[in-house]
Amino acid sequence: DIQMTQSPSTLSASVGDRVTITCRASQSISSWLAWYQQKPGKAPKLLIYKASSLESGVPSRFSGSGSGTEFTLTISSLQPDDFATYYCQQYNSYSPFTFGPGTKVDIK
Amino acid sequence: QVQLVQSGAEVKKPGASVKVSCKASGYTFTSYYMHWVRQAPGQGLEWMGIINPSGGSTSYAQKFQGRVTMTRDTSTSTVYMELSSLRSEDTAVYYCARSMIASLPGYWGQGTLVTVSS
Repeated sequence: DIQMTQSPSTLSASVGDRVTITCRASQSISSWLAWYQQKPGKAPKLLIYKASSLESGVPSRFSGSGSGTEFTLTISSLQPDDFATYYCQQYNSYSPFTFGPGTKVDIK
Repeated sequence: QVQLVQSGAEVKKPGASVKVSCKASGYTFTSYYMHWVRQAPGQGLEWMGIINPSGGSTSYAQKFQGRVTMTRDTSTSTVYMELSSLRSEDTAVYYCARSMIASLPGYWGQGTLVTVSS
C-alpha cells in the first residue's frame, strides 16, 4: 500500500499568515492527490483534487502543487475560518484511498 | 440536493458485529460510488472501502479485509457497512461519503458513532 506522511503535524499561525503544508507519498502517485479540511465535529470538506485543481466554491487563497511524491497545500493569507485540520489523500491506486495523518492549524 | 442520512449511534461488546446504514437521496443512487471512512476519537481519517451501488462491486482496504462487508439496496437507495469481530480499537465515527470529482469522497453523511466496550 502507498503510505502518506504530512508535515508539520501541528502548525501555529496568525490571521494573514501564509501557510504551507507538505504531503509526501511513499511512491509516485503522479498528480492523484486531494486535500481536505476538517473542523471539529464536522465531516471533511474537499478543497483540492488532482494536486492543484480547486474544488468549486473553495476560496482562491487555497492552492495546491506538486507531483510524483511531494505535494504542498498553501493558504496565501490565513483567515479565521481556516483554523482546522488538513488531510491529504492519494487516489493513484484504487485501493486504498489512503489519507495522510493530518496537519492541525491553530492560532498562534 | 444530495443527502446522506446515517443510522444512529451504536454500543457493542467486543467480538460483536455492527451494521451501519446510509440512506441516499437527491441524486441517482446507482450513478455514484460510495466510500466508508472512519475516525477514532481524536485521530485522523481512515479509508475503509468503496462500493459501486450499480453492480454492488466492492474494494476494501487491506486492513479490513475479512472483517468488513459493504452492501447496497437499490430499492431503498441505502448502502450498508458491516464490521465484525469488533474490538475496542474500532470505536470511531463511521462516515459514508458519496463520490464526487475523480471518485473522491465529496458528499458526507453526518457520521455514526460506534462504541465498542465491555
